[in-house]
Amino acid sequence: AQSVTQPDIHITVSEGASLELRCNYSYGATPYLFWYVQSPGQGLQLLLKYFSGDTLVQGIKGFEAEFKRSQSSFNLRKPSVHWSDAAEYFCAVGANNQGGKLIFGQGTELSVKP
Amino acid sequence: GAGVSQSPRYKVTKRGQDVTLRCDPISSHATLYWYQQALGQGPEFLTYFNYEAQPDKSGLPSDRFSAERPEGSISTLTIQRTEQRDSAMYRCASSSDPSSYNEQFFGPGTRLTVL
Repeated sequence: AQSVTQPDIHITVSEGASLELRCNYSYGATPYLFWYVQSPGQGLQLLLKYFSGDTLVQGIKGFEAEFKRSQSSFNLRKPSVHWSDAAEYFCAVGANNQGGKLIFGQGTELSVKP
Repeated sequence: GAGVSQSPRYKVTKRGQDVTLRCDPISSHATLYWYQQALGQGPEFLTYFNYEAQPDKSGLPSDRFSAERPEGSISTLTIQRTEQRDSAMYRCASSSDPSSYNEQFFGPGTRLTVL
């Protein structure tokens, strides 16, 4: 069965510092991988997605993620964090031929200190 | 509509009561998903619709949960005889079709509290 693990429940970084949020997945075939962001009172917003091809994908708001098949990972990165990036981040995996349903990790809450 | 809307945004009910949550997807979207998100957890899939068909309801936790989308647009999720463990955020999402590579657009959710 597919599963997603986000090892870090809560991360605090200083504004302007770099960020890496970890995501590991379990899936037998090549997965479809997603990162979503959830701000308080808002719905989840897609940051980026990976299906095939270039293993480094660019997303909105200056985020990028790298797919590493050998490590079953899809870590999210940003070179310089802004205070507005404080939110909860979810990694998700989608399986082909399953109607598009997503399996989410438990999320990583990001706090940004001045 | 411009985005996915859900109502009510907040619902407080007493154990044993029935509740119905509503989702209004993006008007051009064929596919609609329901997820349940417990506090401190990621969303968990409940069920989905492709137009009015409901191909997968494997995530519904018990037969107290049901969903419908009779005209292929607005959907409702009904929980009968609510229990305290049903307290969660219920999220609806829509997509242009049931393909994994299509973006799902999420609504703001309905926060359900069962006393």
